[in-house]
Amino acid sequence: AQSVSQHNHHVILSEAASLELGCNYSYGGTVNLFWYVQYPGQHLQLLLKYFSGDPLVKGIKGFEAEFIKSKFSFNLRKPSVQWSDTAEYFCAVLFSGGGKLIFGQGTELSVKP
Amino acid sequence: NAGVTQTPKFQVLKTGQSMTLQCAQDMNHEYMSWYRQDPGMGLRLIHYSVGAGITDQGEVPNGYNVSRSTTEDFPLRLLSAAPSQTSVYFCASSYGTGRRNDVAFFGQGTRLTVV
Repeated sequence: AQSVSQHNHHVILSEAASLELGCNYSYGGTVNLFWYVQYPGQHLQLLLKYFSGDPLVKGIKGFEAEFIKSKFSFNLRKPSVQWSDTAEYFCAVLFSGGGKLIFGQGTELSVKP
Repeated sequence: NAGVTQTPKFQVLKTGQSMTLQCAQDMNHEYMSWYRQDPGMGLRLIHYSVGAGITDQGEVPNGYNVSRSTTEDFPLRLLSAAPSQTSVYFCASSYGTGRRNDVAFFGQGTRLTVV
């Protein structure tokens, strides 16, 4: 079955610390990859996406992600987090052959000022 | 261009009641879907549609019905509400083709409480 797994459920960091959130997916075919962010009380917003080409993609607010096909991974990174990055982050995979967008369980990020 | 519009934003139901969550998009997207969001479980796909007249089940379809009579609308029906259906519901739409710039857009969400 198609699935997406996020390794960390809750991450607590201090401001200026570096961030890396893991995401792995099952399936060996063509996929499109996304990271969404949900700030408290708000709906999901697209942070960045990967379709093809350079496996290192840059998104908004200084976030980036690296697609490693051999590891079925799409990890999210940010060199220096800010208090305003406190939110829940979701990895999502659009699997080919049907267009189903499957989400990971989410990672809640708390940044201490 | 309103994007994806969900109504209502909040709803309280009694066990056994039925209701319909509305979702409409004005982007001419073929693909629409419903998710429920529960703490620690991410967003789970309830039902989805790849075009008018075509629907299919997602991961957690039980207790929900959908139909897609037009490209724009994709309502979600709760047949007999249960407390386990207390959740936040999101509707999403996209072209569904996987082409470049094919991104899912989400509605604002419906917070449903079943008592």
